[in-house]
Amino acid sequence: QSALTQPASVSGSPGQSITISCTGTSSDVGSYNLVSWYQQHPGKAPKLMIYEGSKRPSGVSNRFSGSKSGNTASLTISGLQADDEADYSCCSYARSSTWVFGGGTKLTVL
Amino acid sequence: QMQESGPGLVKPSETLSLTCTVSGGSINSKSYYCGWIRQPPGKGLEWIGSIYYSGRSYYNPSLKSRLTTFVDTSKNQFSLKLSSVTAADTAVYYCARLWDPQGWFDPWGQGTLVTVSS
Repeated sequence: QSALTQPASVSGSPGQSITISCTGTSSDVGSYNLVSWYQQHPGKAPKLMIYEGSKRPSGVSNRFSGSKSGNTASLTISGLQADDEADYSCCSYARSSTWVFGGGTKLTVL
Repeated sequence: QMQESGPGLVKPSETLSLTCTVSGGSINSKSYYCGWIRQPPGKGLEWIGSIYYSGRSYYNPSLKSRLTTFVDTSKNQFSLKLSSVTAADTAVYYCARLWDPQGWFDPWGQGTLVTVSS
Protein backbone atom coordinates (compact mmCIF):
# COMPACT_ATOMS: atom_id res chain seq x y z
CA GLN A 1 0.00 0.00 0.00
CA SER A 2 1.86 3.09 -1.24
CA ALA A 3 0.96 6.66 -0.39
CA LEU A 4 -0.79 8.73 -3.04
CA THR A 5 1.51 11.20 -4.78
CA GLN A 6 1.00 14.92 -4.27
CA PRO A 7 3.28 17.86 -5.08
CA ALA A 8 5.15 19.00 -1.99
CA SER A 9 4.13 22.61 -2.51
CA VAL A 10 2.08 24.93 -4.69
CA SER A 11 1.63 28.67 -4.55
CA GLY A 12 -0.60 31.36 -5.95
CA SER A 13 -1.52 35.00 -5.52
CA PRO A 14 -4.78 36.19 -3.98
CA GLY A 15 -7.62 35.89 -6.46
CA GLN A 16 -5.87 33.31 -8.60
CA SER A 17 -6.75 29.63 -8.98
CA ILE A 18 -4.53 26.69 -8.16
CA THR A 19 -4.86 22.94 -8.64
CA ILE A 20 -3.36 20.22 -6.47
CA SER A 21 -2.97 16.78 -8.03
CA CYS A 22 -3.21 13.44 -6.26
CA THR A 23 -1.96 10.43 -8.21
CA GLY A 24 -2.73 6.89 -7.21
CA THR A 25 -3.16 3.58 -8.98
CA SER A 26 -5.86 1.40 -10.45
CA SER A 27 -6.19 -0.16 -6.98
CA ASP A 28 -7.33 3.04 -5.32
CA VAL A 29 -8.04 6.37 -7.07
CA GLY A 30 -8.62 4.73 -10.44
CA SER A 31 -11.08 2.14 -9.17
CA TYR A 32 -13.31 4.16 -6.87
CA ASN A 33 -14.95 7.56 -6.85
CA LEU A 34 -14.05 7.81 -3.18
CA VAL A 35 -11.36 10.46 -2.96
CA SER A 36 -11.61 12.98 -0.14
CA TRP A 37 -9.58 16.12 0.48
CA TYR A 38 -8.58 17.66 3.81
CA GLN A 39 -7.34 21.11 4.77
CA GLN A 40 -5.01 21.40 7.74
CA HIS A 41 -3.80 24.62 9.28
CA PRO A 42 -0.65 24.45 11.45
CA GLY A 43 -1.29 22.78 14.77
CA LYS A 44 -4.89 22.00 13.89
CA ALA A 45 -6.81 18.87 12.99
CA PRO A 46 -7.63 18.16 9.35
CA LYS A 47 -10.93 19.47 8.01
CA LEU A 48 -12.94 17.76 5.29
CA MET A 49 -13.21 19.89 2.14
CA ILE A 50 -14.29 17.43 -0.58
CA TYR A 51 -15.71 13.91 -0.43
CA GLU A 52 -16.65 11.33 -3.04
CA GLY A 53 -14.35 13.08 -5.47
CA SER A 54 -16.34 16.26 -6.05
CA LYS A 55 -18.92 16.81 -3.31
CA ARG A 56 -18.64 19.70 -0.86
CA PRO A 57 -19.77 19.36 2.75
CA SER A 58 -22.13 21.97 4.07
CA GLY A 59 -20.24 25.11 5.01
CA VAL A 60 -17.33 24.63 2.61
CA SER A 61 -16.93 27.43 0.10
CA ASN A 62 -17.84 26.72 -3.52
CA ARG A 63 -14.37 28.03 -4.36
CA PHE A 64 -13.21 24.48 -3.61
CA SER A 65 -13.89 21.83 -6.23
CA GLY A 66 -12.72 18.30 -6.92
CA SER A 67 -12.39 16.14 -10.00
CA LYS A 68 -10.80 12.93 -11.22
CA SER A 69 -9.30 11.59 -14.41
CA GLY A 70 -8.02 8.05 -14.50
CA ASN A 71 -5.72 7.45 -11.56
CA THR A 72 -5.37 11.15 -10.72
CA ALA A 73 -7.67 13.25 -8.57
CA SER A 74 -7.44 17.02 -8.36
CA LEU A 75 -8.45 19.76 -5.96
CA THR A 76 -8.95 23.23 -7.41
CA ILE A 77 -9.20 26.36 -5.30
CA SER A 78 -10.41 29.44 -7.11
CA GLY A 79 -10.27 33.04 -5.92
CA LEU A 80 -7.40 32.30 -3.54
CA GLN A 81 -7.65 33.94 -0.14
CA ALA A 82 -5.04 34.35 2.57
CA ASP A 83 -6.84 31.90 4.85
CA ASP A 84 -6.54 29.18 2.20
CA GLU A 85 -2.86 28.93 3.08
CA ALA A 86 -2.59 25.48 4.67
CA ASP A 87 -1.62 21.89 4.00
CA TYR A 88 -3.94 19.85 1.79
CA SER A 89 -4.07 16.06 1.80
CA CYS A 90 -5.98 13.66 -0.40
CA CYS A 91 -7.26 10.27 0.67
CA SER A 92 -8.69 7.36 -1.28
CA TYR A 93 -10.52 4.20 -0.39
CA ALA A 94 -8.57 1.23 -1.74
CA ARG A 95 -9.10 -2.49 -2.19
CA SER A 96 -9.65 -4.79 0.78
CA SER A 97 -11.23 -2.09 2.91
CA THR A 98 -8.15 0.02 3.33
CA TRP A 99 -7.53 3.73 2.91
CA VAL A 100 -4.45 5.55 1.67
CA PHE A 101 -3.45 9.19 2.10
CA GLY A 102 -1.26 11.43 0.02
CA GLY A 103 1.89 12.98 1.40
CA GLY A 104 0.29 16.41 1.63
CA THR A 105 0.77 19.65 -0.27
CA LYS A 106 1.68 22.96 1.31
CA LEU A 107 -0.25 25.82 -0.27
CA THR A 108 1.35 29.24 -0.01
CA VAL A 109 -0.69 32.34 -0.81
CA LEU A 110 1.81 34.91 -2.04
CA GLN B 1 -17.63 15.23 18.30
CA MET B 2 -14.56 13.06 18.69
CA GLN B 3 -12.02 13.33 21.50
CA GLU B 4 -8.81 11.31 21.75
CA SER B 5 -7.15 10.50 25.05
CA GLY B 6 -4.05 8.60 26.04
CA PRO B 7 -0.57 8.86 27.53
CA GLY B 8 1.68 11.49 26.03
CA LEU B 9 4.77 9.34 26.53
CA VAL B 10 5.33 5.64 25.92
CA LYS B 11 8.56 3.70 26.32
CA PRO B 12 10.04 1.74 23.40
CA SER B 13 8.79 -1.86 23.14
CA GLU B 14 5.72 -1.07 25.26
CA THR B 15 2.08 -0.86 24.16
CA LEU B 16 0.41 2.40 23.20
CA SER B 17 -3.24 2.64 24.23
CA LEU B 18 -5.61 5.32 22.97
CA THR B 19 -9.32 5.97 23.41
CA CYS B 20 -11.68 7.96 21.25
CA THR B 21 -14.78 9.21 23.06
CA VAL B 22 -17.72 10.17 20.91
CA SER B 23 -20.21 12.79 22.05
CA GLY B 24 -23.41 14.03 20.47
CA GLY B 25 -24.70 10.68 19.34
CA SER B 26 -24.63 6.98 20.07
CA ILE B 27 -22.10 4.74 18.36
CA ASN B 28 -24.46 1.83 18.85
CA SER B 29 -25.80 2.37 15.38
CA LYS B 30 -25.48 0.48 12.15
CA SER B 31 -24.15 3.63 10.54
CA TYR B 32 -21.35 4.40 12.99
CA TYR B 33 -17.79 3.82 11.95
CA CYS B 34 -14.51 5.25 13.26
CA GLY B 35 -11.14 5.75 11.70
CA TRP B 36 -7.72 6.15 13.34
CA ILE B 37 -5.14 8.24 11.53
CA ARG B 38 -1.71 9.41 12.64
CA GLN B 39 0.72 12.12 11.59
CA PRO B 40 4.43 11.94 12.51
CA PRO B 41 5.97 15.36 13.21
CA GLY B 42 6.44 17.26 9.96
CA LYS B 43 5.06 14.41 7.85
CA GLY B 44 1.87 13.40 6.11
CA LEU B 45 -1.20 11.60 7.35
CA GLU B 46 -1.20 7.81 7.63
CA TRP B 47 -4.32 5.67 7.91
CA ILE B 48 -4.02 3.25 10.84
CA GLY B 49 -7.31 1.40 10.82
CA SER B 50 -11.10 1.62 10.66
CA ILE B 51 -13.53 0.13 13.15
CA TYR B 52 -17.21 -0.53 12.60
CA TYR B 53 -19.89 -0.27 15.31
CA SER B 54 -20.01 -4.07 15.34
CA GLY B 55 -16.33 -4.26 16.28
CA ARG B 56 -15.28 -5.44 12.84
CA SER B 57 -11.98 -3.78 11.99
CA TYR B 58 -9.70 -3.18 9.04
CA TYR B 59 -6.04 -2.36 9.51
CA ASN B 60 -3.16 -0.82 7.61
CA PRO B 61 -1.17 -3.88 6.44
CA SER B 62 2.06 -2.30 7.69
CA LEU B 63 0.67 -2.11 11.25
CA LYS B 64 -1.67 -5.09 11.31
CA SER B 65 0.60 -7.41 13.30
CA ARG B 66 0.86 -4.88 16.17
CA LEU B 67 -2.65 -3.45 16.18
CA THR B 68 -5.80 -4.25 18.13
CA THR B 69 -9.01 -2.24 18.29
CA PHE B 70 -12.08 -2.35 20.54
CA VAL B 71 -15.53 -0.85 20.72
CA ASP B 72 -17.27 -0.07 24.02
CA THR B 73 -20.82 0.99 23.18
CA SER B 74 -21.71 1.50 26.86
CA LYS B 75 -19.09 4.24 27.08
CA ASN B 76 -19.47 5.44 23.50
CA GLN B 77 -15.80 4.76 22.91
CA PHE B 78 -13.47 3.28 20.31
CA SER B 79 -10.05 2.13 21.49
CA LEU B 80 -6.75 1.26 19.89
CA LYS B 81 -3.70 -0.62 21.13
CA LEU B 82 -0.40 -0.62 19.25
CA SER B 83 2.23 -2.98 20.62
CA SER B 84 6.04 -3.01 20.46
CA VAL B 85 6.27 0.69 19.73
CA THR B 86 9.43 2.37 18.48
CA ALA B 87 10.43 5.97 17.87
CA ALA B 88 8.84 5.65 14.42
CA ASP B 89 5.43 5.48 16.12
CA THR B 90 5.86 8.99 17.54
CA ALA B 91 3.01 10.99 16.03
CA VAL B 92 -0.16 12.94 16.59
CA TYR B 93 -2.94 10.37 16.66
CA TYR B 94 -6.40 11.33 15.44
CA CYS B 95 -9.74 9.60 15.51
CA ALA B 96 -12.43 10.62 13.07
CA ARG B 97 -15.93 9.53 12.20
CA LEU B 98 -15.94 7.43 9.04
CA TRP B 99 -18.98 8.01 6.84
CA ASP B 100 -20.11 5.01 4.89
CA PRO B 101 -18.06 1.83 5.17
CA GLN B 102 -15.90 3.06 2.29
CA GLY B 103 -16.14 6.78 2.74
CA TRP B 104 -14.59 9.86 4.19
CA PHE B 105 -13.45 11.02 7.61
CA ASP B 106 -15.40 13.81 9.31
CA PRO B 107 -15.22 15.27 11.89
CA TRP B 108 -11.78 14.72 13.34
CA GLY B 109 -10.78 14.91 16.97
CA GLN B 110 -8.22 17.49 18.00
CA GLY B 111 -5.50 14.83 18.04
CA THR B 112 -3.19 13.66 20.79
CA LEU B 113 0.60 13.65 20.58
CA VAL B 114 2.24 10.39 21.56
CA THR B 115 6.00 10.36 21.97
CA VAL B 116 7.91 7.10 22.13
CA SER B 117 11.03 7.60 24.19
CA SER B 118 12.84 6.06 27.12
